[in-house]
Amino acid sequence: AQSVTQLGSHVSVSEGALVLLRCNYSSSVPPYLFWYVQYPNQGLQLLLKYTSAATLVKGINGFEAEFKKSETSFHLTKPSAHMSDAAEYFCAVGKGAQKLVFGQGTRLTINP
Amino acid sequence: DTAVSQTPKYLVTQMGNDKSIKCEQNLGHDTMYWYKQDSKKFLKIMFSYNNKELIINETVPNRFSPKSPDKAHLNLHINSLELGDSAVYFCASSQEVPNEQFFGPGTRLTVL
Repeated sequence: AQSVTQLGSHVSVSEGALVLLRCNYSSSVPPYLFWYVQYPNQGLQLLLKYTSAATLVKGINGFEAEFKKSETSFHLTKPSAHMSDAAEYFCAVGKGAQKLVFGQGTRLTINP
Repeated sequence: DTAVSQTPKYLVTQMGNDKSIKCEQNLGHDTMYWYKQDSKKFLKIMFSYNNKELIINETVPNRFSPKSPDKAHLNLHINSLELGDSAVYFCASSQEVPNEQFFGPGTRLTVL
C-alpha cells in the first residue's frame, strides 16, 4: 500500500523567503511522486514529478523537489516566495495506471 | 483548448434528487478518474476507468455510478443525494506512464 504524509497543514512565509513544504511517502515499490498546486476555486495543476530519473526535479514557477530514498521524502522548495505562490499544495504517490494517493495538503500563505 | 472539462461547475440540489456530472478529455488519454475533495481539502479516488473499463472502484456507496461511453468521457451519476455528498468532485485523465494526471476544474456539489 502507498501513503503520503505532509508535515504541516499550514505554512506561512514572508515574501522573498525560502519555501519548504514537507512530504514523506510510503511505498512497497519504487514510487512515482508528484506535487500538485491548487489555487482557490480551481482544479489541480502539476508542479513537478519524480519518475525514477534525476533525484532533483525542477518544476514550474521556480519550484523544485528532491527525492531522497533513504529518508522516504520528497520535499518541495522554492528559494524566494512570491505572493502568487499562495495556494494549497498536495504531494501524491502513484505508479502506472494506479490511483494517485494524496497527502492531506499544505496551505501556503505568503506574508507581505 | 481545455484539456479536461467538467460540467456543471456548480450544482446545488435538494436531498433525494438524482444528478449527473459530465467529464470530457481531449488529450487522447486511456485512463480517467473521479476524485472527491471534502471540506477539509482531502482528495480521495472514487473510480478509475481504462479504455471504458472500470479498474478502480473504491469504497463508494452504490448510489454513485460512473459511466464511460467512450475513452474520452467519464460521467458520474449520483442517485438519492445526501447531505454528506456535498463536496468538490474532480475528474482527471492520464496515460499509464508516468501516470501524470491532468485534472478538470472541479464541480462543486451542494446538497441542501
